[in-house]
Amino acid sequence: QVQLQQSGAELVKPGTSVKLSCKASGYTFTSNHMNWIKQTTGQGLEWIGIINPGSGGTSYNVKFKGKATLTVDKSSSTAFMQLSSLTPEDSAVYYCARLSALPYYFDYWGQGVMVTVSS
Amino acid sequence: DVQMTQSPSYLAASPGESVSISCKASKSINTYLAWYQEKPGKTNKLLIYSGSTLQSGTPSRFSGSGSGTDFTLTIRSLEPEDFAVYYCQQHNEYPFTFGSGTKLEIK
Repeated sequence: QVQLQQSGAELVKPGTSVKLSCKASGYTFTSNHMNWIKQTTGQGLEWIGIINPGSGGTSYNVKFKGKATLTVDKSSSTAFMQLSSLTPEDSAVYYCARLSALPYYFDYWGQGVMVTVSS
Repeated sequence: DVQMTQSPSYLAASPGESVSISCKASKSINTYLAWYQEKPGKTNKLLIYSGSTLQSGTPSRFSGSGSGTDFTLTIRSLEPEDFAVYYCQQHNEYPFTFGSGTKLEIK
């Protein structure tokens, strides 16, 4: 069965970076694009961006350009998201979610990882 | 960006009752609207996509309707496991955007 296993919670200092992981199993990793989504109490769910694991091609929500960098490691079927220059506003739960085939919706989600930015 | 306005934000109902949740898009998204269920300790679950197509495994008491800008999720004869938070999401164009969520609680 399809599973997306995310890394554990992070407590990080302002101004630093953090790299989150999402290990996929139960399907061919390169067959589906992977998305990252941010959830906060104030802003709700926000789509960050998408990566094609086969080509490495990415597309970002303008709001997160320069903040998030998406990469993959095909050998381990793992997607990564690096968040840079962290501020308290980056504190959130971050999800990875697999994109289905057309007509493109999120058919499987990771369990989410809480990132807390605090000095 | 397409703004998704979901209502109500909170809904209280009893098992056996039927409820409806509304989701309105700021512009036409054709039928490209998905509904998800969020429950503590579980991964988010896709219920419906393309407005009205039930994802495999979604109970038939769930139904979705609408097109263009107005969509509705209806849950008939609520079961105890249906009490959760529900989100809509447009999958018509980038950036994908979500509604603000509806918390369905037991009355």
